[in-house]
Amino acid sequence: AQKVTQAQTEISVVEKEDVTLDCVYETRDTTYYLFWYKQPPSGELVFLIRRNSFDEQNEISGRYSWNFQKSTSSFNFTITASQVVDSAVYFCALSEALSGGYQKVTFGIGTKLQVIP
Amino acid sequence: DVKVTQSSRYLVKRTGEKVFLECVQDMDHENMFWYRQDPGLGLRLIYFSYDVKMKEKGDIPEGYSVSREKKERFSLILESASTNQTSMYLCASRLGQGRYYEQYFGPGTRLTVT
Repeated sequence: AQKVTQAQTEISVVEKEDVTLDCVYETRDTTYYLFWYKQPPSGELVFLIRRNSFDEQNEISGRYSWNFQKSTSSFNFTITASQVVDSAVYFCALSEALSGGYQKVTFGIGTKLQVIP
Repeated sequence: DVKVTQSSRYLVKRTGEKVFLECVQDMDHENMFWYRQDPGLGLRLIYFSYDVKMKEKGDIPEGYSVSREKKERFSLILESASTNQTSMYLCASRLGQGRYYEQYFGPGTRLTVT
């Protein structure tokens, strides 16, 4: 069984503050992928990043950074100097193999981020 | 850019009606998915398809069926709509079966069953 936990359901920050969105996962698979998606108010989920289970290097893309720690089964997402446009629901997801060669993706329940001007 | 389109943004149907939700992707992706999104429950997989005419049940298939007659089109069917199927329905596509592939999502259909 796999599980993705996003314990923060809603977060509010004031513009320019830094914010970290937590994601903890469970899996028995040794090879898996983790993803973050953003869902703005328009509704369409947009892919942000993927990380495989063998690559624990942190990644930075502009104001976004991701911290993957296999020892704690966490894949946290930090937004630096938040902006109003960052207001959205953010989903963490885990992709692993099922028997028969199919891949299953499990999403967390999402964290709603509100950035207040 | 991959584009996933869904036939309606908003839909209102009556209990007992048969409802069709259509999804089309334009990038020759092999895999397609239907999810429903509810507050506090996140995205839950209803059905997925890895190829034309092929379908697999997801986590919550009861009350739903799907059809994939052409590679670009994946339809979700509510055989007899009920009020507990009021939800946001999201379609997604993915290039292939590799677990590293990201999914591309449509804008969603907000279905209300009265």
